[in-house]
Amino acid sequence: AQSVTQLDSQVPVFEEAPVELRCNYSSSVSVYLFWYVQYPNQGLQLLLKYLSGSTLVESINGFEAEFNKSQTSFHLRKPSVHISDTAEYFCAVRYPNTGNQFYFGTGTSLTVIP
Amino acid sequence: GAVVSQHPSRVICKSGTSVKIECRSLDFQATTMFWYRQFPKKSLMLMATSNEGSKATYEQGVEKDKFLINHASLTLSTLTVTSAHPEDSSFYICSADTGGSYNEQFFGPGTRLTVL
Repeated sequence: AQSVTQLDSQVPVFEEAPVELRCNYSSSVSVYLFWYVQYPNQGLQLLLKYLSGSTLVESINGFEAEFNKSQTSFHLRKPSVHISDTAEYFCAVRYPNTGNQFYFGTGTSLTVIP
Repeated sequence: GAVVSQHPSRVICKSGTSVKIECRSLDFQATTMFWYRQFPKKSLMLMATSNEGSKATYEQGVEKDKFLINHASLTLSTLTVTSAHPEDSSFYICSADTGGSYNEQFFGPGTRLTVL
C-alpha cells in the first residue's frame, strides 16, 4: 500500500536554529511530492512541491526540500526558524499514474521556542 | 495560486440536524473536488472524491448516506452531514483539482463542525 511516513510527530526548536522535518514515502515509482503547512484552525497551505526537474525545491519563506529517489525521502529544512514558523507540517505524495489522490503523512508539529 | 473557499467556517448544531458545507473554486473550474476529515492532532483522512456531474466515490468506511456529496457545477461541491451526532464533530476540509498535467490540488480553509 502507498504510504507516507513522517517520523517526528513533534519537533521543538529554538528560534534562529536550523530544523529538519523528515518525510519518507513507500514507493520509488514516479511521484509528485508536496509539503503543506497548517496554522491553528486553518486549512492547508502549499509550502513547496516537487514535480520534476531539480531535486532541490525552495519556498519563498526560506524552507527547502530535497527529493532523494534512492532513499525515497523528501525532507523539509530551514536554516534559521522564526516564531511564526510554529505550525503543523504535512508531507504528501501523489502518484501520477494512479489517479489524483493525495496520501498524507501524519504531520509534524513544529514549535519554535523564543 | 488558485483560491478555494468554504462556507461556513464554523458551525454548531444540535444532534439530529443536518448541516451543509459548501466548497467553491473561486477563479478556476474544478472537475474534481475532494473532501477530507481531520481529527485533532491527526492527519487528513480522505472521505470522498467528487466529480462534477456524477456520483461521488467514497473511501472505505465512509457512509455515503451519512455524508451526502453533490458536485452540481464546475465550481461548487457540497457536503451534507445528515442527522449529525457528536462523533461527527470534526474539521472538514475540501480541495479542488486544477486539472492539467500536474493536477495540483488547492485546499479550502476548512469548516469546524461541532455537534452538541
